[in-house]
Amino acid sequence: EAGVAQSPRYKIIEKRQSVAFWCNPISGHATLYWYQQILGQGPKLLIQFQNNGVVDDSQLPKDRFSAERLKGVDSTLKIQPAKLEDSAVYLCASSLTSGSETQYFGPGTRLLVL
Amino acid sequence: QKEVEQNSGPLSVPEGAIASLNCTYSDRGSQSFFWYRQYSGKSPELIMFIYSNGDKEDGRFTAQLNKASQYVSLLIRDSQPSDSATYLCAVTRDSSYKLIFGSGTRLLVRP
Repeated sequence: EAGVAQSPRYKIIEKRQSVAFWCNPISGHATLYWYQQILGQGPKLLIQFQNNGVVDDSQLPKDRFSAERLKGVDSTLKIQPAKLEDSAVYLCASSLTSGSETQYFGPGTRLLVL
Repeated sequence: QKEVEQNSGPLSVPEGAIASLNCTYSDRGSQSFFWYRQYSGKSPELIMFIYSNGDKEDGRFTAQLNKASQYVSLLIRDSQPSDSATYLCAVTRDSSYKLIFGSGTRLLVRP
C-alpha cells in the first residue's frame, strides 16, 4: 500500500513570497490533515478535511494560509505572503475516516523562509 | 499552561534498560491518548493508543493511563539503540481525533 505522498520535500523562499504544498493521501482515506511542526515542537493541526469538506480550521492563520481538497482526494496548502515564522515542516496525514485512531503521516515538506 | 506537557529530555538509558516517558495533560475531558515516535528528520509514526485507565501492552511497549492524575506514560522494555528518537504524546478531546501534541521527549539509548 502506497503511503502519503507530499511534494516538494524542501522549499526555500524569501519572506513575502508565496508557496504551495501538495499532498496525496493513502487511497481510500476520507480524512486528510495538515500539520505545522516548528523545530523543537510537536505538530500543530492547521486544518482537517473530511472528503472535500473542512471539519476544523480553527488554527489556520486565514489571513495568509489557505487549503483546499476540491475532489476529496489530494490537497494543496498555500501560504501567501510567507513570514519568517512560517519556517517549519508541513506534514500531511490521512486516516480512513475521522473516527479512525491511526493517522498516517507523509514525509513532510521542510520550508525555510529567509 | 500547555495542554500537553512533556519533559524535553534527553532521557539517556543504557541498552537493555527500561525507558520511562511521561506526559501530563490539562483538559480533564481528554478522551484518547497516543504515543508517536519520530526519528530525526522523519515524520511521526504511531506506536500505540490508550483510552481506559490502566495498562496496555504491545510487545516491548506499555502505555499507562491515570485519568485522575491526568497522566499518561510509555514504558519501553529492553531498550535498543534503534529506539533512540523523540517520543510525542498526543491527546484528543472528542471523537474527531483532532490530535493535540506535546513537544516530545528525546530518548537516547546508549549501546
